[in-house]
Amino acid sequence: GPKVLQIPSHQIIDMGQMVTLNCDPVSNHLYFYWYKQILGQQMEFLVNFYNGKVMEKSKLFKDQFSVERPDGSYFTLKIQPTALEDSAVYFCASSFRLNQDTQYFGPGTRLLVL
Amino acid sequence: GEQVEQRPPHLSVREGDSAVIICTYTDPNSYYFFWYKQEPGAGLQLLMKVFSSTEINEGQGFTVLLNKKDKQLSLNLTAAHPGDSAVYFCADRGSALGRLHFGAGTQLIVIP
Repeated sequence: GPKVLQIPSHQIIDMGQMVTLNCDPVSNHLYFYWYKQILGQQMEFLVNFYNGKVMEKSKLFKDQFSVERPDGSYFTLKIQPTALEDSAVYFCASSFRLNQDTQYFGPGTRLLVL
Repeated sequence: GEQVEQRPPHLSVREGDSAVIICTYTDPNSYYFFWYKQEPGAGLQLLMKVFSSTEINEGQGFTVLLNKKDKQLSLNLTAAHPGDSAVYFCADRGSALGRLHFGAGTQLIVIP
């Protein structure tokens, strides 16, 4: 099936540093999503993005978070500055349309903030 | 907000046995449901997308049942084999714009 790639697979950084998580979505997809999964907990929605804009974000999407997809390249999640509670696995997803379509997920980026 | 409870969190069955995972959701407006399978180091692989109008959905080696009255969605593996060992997640799409609400996942181990 369609593949979503995420780079890097693992990232370890010091608290307060900036981190950028990269997602290569399915090529013809138009809607992009980030989800966060803390170890042992449910995967939770962070944000979705379409046509250069955030459409919806959850309360987990703090002011230190930002997303963009410049010129059709990677869809990125930037955290600046990072905090200890940002340690989690971040999953990117994409879909062609919004309402009916399946979201295809990447393998996740495991972020550890020390 | 929408809550999705998934049980059991862990399930071990012998090869050839059946396995059942159940999710209970709260949003009566939920109209799409999903089952995903996650193998170690891999992304979530879609098993099935279920519309709220369809109560019985047959897949390859499994059946998904939707009970709208009780707001339950179940994944029934009929004869499990070791390749089914993975973490399974249910999710629903309710009235929110695009976001999926996930269950906590079920770690299924199929013993040869």
